[in-house]
Amino acid sequence: QQKVQQSPESLIVPEGGMASLNCTSSDRNVDYFWWYRQHSGKSPKMLMSIFSNGEKEEGRFTVHLNKASLHTSLHIRDSQPSDSALYLCAASASSGSWQLIFGSGTQLTVMP
Amino acid sequence: GGIITQTPKFLIGQEGQKLTLKCQQNFNHDTMYWYRQDSGKGLRLIYYSITENDLQKGDLSEGYDASREKKSSFSLTVTSAQKNEMAVFLCASSIRNTEVFFGKGTRLTVV
Repeated sequence: QQKVQQSPESLIVPEGGMASLNCTSSDRNVDYFWWYRQHSGKSPKMLMSIFSNGEKEEGRFTVHLNKASLHTSLHIRDSQPSDSALYLCAASASSGSWQLIFGSGTQLTVMP
Repeated sequence: GGIITQTPKFLIGQEGQKLTLKCQQNFNHDTMYWYRQDSGKGLRLIYYSITENDLQKGDLSEGYDASREKKSSFSLTVTSAQKNEMAVFLCASSIRNTEVFFGKGTRLTVV
């Protein structure tokens, strides 16, 4: 079983709609979470990171983190066709192993 | 800003062949990573290195070797290429627990 699980595998939302993506780690050592976005044919680029319980907002993007359940979610409001991409969640530990483990991704399609 | 350069961009090899992929970064980052990405899928960690001459295995290390002889470079060797290994190999670097930057990838095709 993958250490970082993402759901759903794919998501279609209408332009202007809200997209919600989920990610959970099964490794209790992790405490840093990252969201990366990868447009088709390009390399992943970091979108947002979160290390503390609660919520963080940057423009149309909001991430939540619940450290007790090792669950993070990414919400995109007023989705645009340019948001269509593969969204990758990653987790790392602030001490111990230096690994950065990615999930299998959520493919988001925003329909005009 | 820095850059991560991966060579070659495209690599075609024969089944059973030993193939080497190279990665250079000028960020002066300590940590470097090799990931494999199958079409439309997530990233799987092959090897990572926290400093020069250090090597740590990821979950997908079987069938691969790695080398970090200099801080700025990290190479990956496919020891015996298999047809089910066709994928994009991504090199990345970071300072620990900060943003990871990726190269543009090497696309491997095995014939």
